[in-house]
Amino acid sequence: AQSVTQPDIHITVSEGASLELRCNYSYGATPYLFWYVQSPGQGLQLLLKYFSGDTLVQGIKGFEAEFKRSQSSFNLRKPSVHWSDAAEYFCAVGKESSYKLIFGSGTRLLVRP
Amino acid sequence: EPEVTQTPSHQVTQMGQEVILRCVPISNHLYFYWYRQILGQKVEFLVSFYNNEISEKSEIFDDQFSVERPDGSNFTLKIRSTKLEDSAMYFCASSTRQISTDTQYFGPGTRLTVL
Repeated sequence: AQSVTQPDIHITVSEGASLELRCNYSYGATPYLFWYVQSPGQGLQLLLKYFSGDTLVQGIKGFEAEFKRSQSSFNLRKPSVHWSDAAEYFCAVGKESSYKLIFGSGTRLLVRP
Repeated sequence: EPEVTQTPSHQVTQMGQEVILRCVPISNHLYFYWYRQILGQKVEFLVSFYNNEISEKSEIFDDQFSVERPDGSNFTLKIRSTKLEDSAMYFCASSTRQISTDTQYFGPGTRLTVL
């Protein structure tokens, strides 16, 4: 069965520091991978997605993620975090024969001034 | 920019009552979804809907749940007889195509509290 693991429940970084949020998935074939962000009181906003092709994908707000098949990972990165990036981040996986997304448990990002 | 909207933002109900959660998907989207997130837990898929019928549902989506597209703009989730464990944030989403080629866009959610 498909599953998504986000090993870090909380991460705290200083404003201006770099960020990496981890995501590991379990799926036999090539998955469709997504990162969503949820700010308080807001819905889930898509940051970026990977379907095929270049394994380094660029998203909105300066985020990028790299698909590594050998590690079953799709980690999210940002070179310099802004205070407005404080939110909860969800990794999700889908597959071609299904309509559903399977979400990880989320990582809450706190940004120190 | 078009967005998915949901009403109400917060619904409080008594156990055993029926509730209807409403969603207005993005206008040119054809696939519609409901997910829920119980406090402190993962976002879970409930159901997908295409061409006026359910295309996929999870084991959570039992006979207490139903979905409907009553007109050309609304998409609803009905819970017939609410239970305490139905308390959760319910998210509606929509997409132009099936997941393999498109992205699901989510609404802000409806927080359902069952007392």
